[in-house]
Amino acid sequence: EPEVTQTPSHQVTQMGQEVILRCVPISNHLYFYWYRQILGQKVEFLVSFYNNEISEKSEIFDDQFSVERPDGSNFTLKIRSTKLEDSAMYFCASRERQVPNTEAFFGQGTRLTVV
Amino acid sequence: GQQVMQIPQYQHVQEGEDFTTYCNSSTTLSNIQWYKQRPGGHPVFLIQLVKSGEVKKQKRLTFQFGEAKKNSSLHITATQTTDVGTYFCAGFMEYGNKLVFGAGTILRVKS
Repeated sequence: EPEVTQTPSHQVTQMGQEVILRCVPISNHLYFYWYRQILGQKVEFLVSFYNNEISEKSEIFDDQFSVERPDGSNFTLKIRSTKLEDSAMYFCASRERQVPNTEAFFGQGTRLTVV
Repeated sequence: GQQVMQIPQYQHVQEGEDFTTYCNSSTTLSNIQWYKQRPGGHPVFLIQLVKSGEVKKQKRLTFQFGEAKKNSSLHITATQTTDVGTYFCAGFMEYGNKLVFGAGTILRVKS
């Protein structure tokens, strides 16, 4: 069964450092997302990406965050200067089509710990 | 902003008891999806509801979508220990391309 893969599974970084979280969406999917889940809390939308550009972003997704699809398969989330409050599980998700009647497939997540 | 509220936050039941979680949106949804997240895992798609008043069943799980397409519920009959996890509703707003998640309901089942 096709799946979304994320690397690394766990990343520990010093406050102020840059991190890049990587995702490989399902190959025929067109819509890509990053979500964040602080431990024990809800899954929060960060950004959606389609046709090589951001289609929507939340208030959380400020100038410290950026996304990129550098090579047609990977989809990355970069945090330029990490803060303690960026510690969370980051999930990548992809969907096949524009219409809402398609499920989102989530990766296993990257646990980011900022120390 | 667009919000999806979900209650209860937490439910602890005896094995064999029923369980229900409720979801309510501030705006009309084009569809609603339900996900289950096991402890330490990622959200896994369970089902989606599209039509007003729709009811779907998956074995012991019954999903409903309200007539106004603003609320939904998930009911589990005779819970089992394998049902433990967090159940999230997630909706697509009528004009939008993002899934907005409810806060989730944590289900614990005592055997």
